[in-house]
Amino acid sequence: AQTVTQSQPEMSVQEAETVTLSCTYDTSENNYYLFWYKQPPSRQMILVIRQEAYKQQNATENRFSVNFQKAAKSFSLKISDSQLGDTAMYFCAFMKHKVGGYQKVTFGIGTKLQVIP
Amino acid sequence: DTGVSQNPRHKITKRGQNVTFRCDPISEHNRLYWYRQTLGQGPEFLTYFQNEAQLEKSRLLSDRFSAERPKGSFSTLEIQRTEQGDSAMYLCASSLVHTAFQGGANVLTFGAGSRLTVL
Repeated sequence: AQTVTQSQPEMSVQEAETVTLSCTYDTSENNYYLFWYKQPPSRQMILVIRQEAYKQQNATENRFSVNFQKAAKSFSLKISDSQLGDTAMYFCAFMKHKVGGYQKVTFGIGTKLQVIP
Repeated sequence: DTGVSQNPRHKITKRGQNVTFRCDPISEHNRLYWYRQTLGQGPEFLTYFQNEAQLEKSRLLSDRFSAERPKGSFSTLEIQRTEQGDSAMYLCASSLVHTAFQGGANVLTFGAGSRLTVL
């Protein structure tokens, strides 16, 4: 079974600064996907960024980038130029590659990020 | 299409009562999922539908829970004889999966959730 570990329950960052959220996972699979989802207070969860395990290049989406270390099973999220709207719970998630059928998504327990003005 | 819609957003009920939640997915999405999220935890999978067929259920889904997706459109999640341990946020998500597609990430679009409080 896959597990996803987020070891930072809460973090804070000054507005305009950079913050990195950590995530490690455990799997015996070789093909899989990793995601970071953001859940703002009382709002729906949205996808921030995703990474295919077969790609060596780290994914980037505007101010969000990841550091994917497959051998170390590490998948950290870097938020640059933090904005107040980045305040949210951030969930790291793992999905095994599977053709058809249900691709189970396993979530970590989340990191609560507070951006301070 | 405004995304995945869930109703009601909040529900407070007494122990032993039945509750029903509704989820309206993105119209072109063929898959619909129910997750449960308790305080301090990430979402946990409950069940999913491919069109109108319920294809998988988690061990977390006791016999007091039932989910339906008639006609492959909206879905309902009913909890009978609620217990205090059922208090949680119930999240619905949908996705579009081409079963013939070799690979590709199944990206979930979530609703805002229905929060259940059982007194």
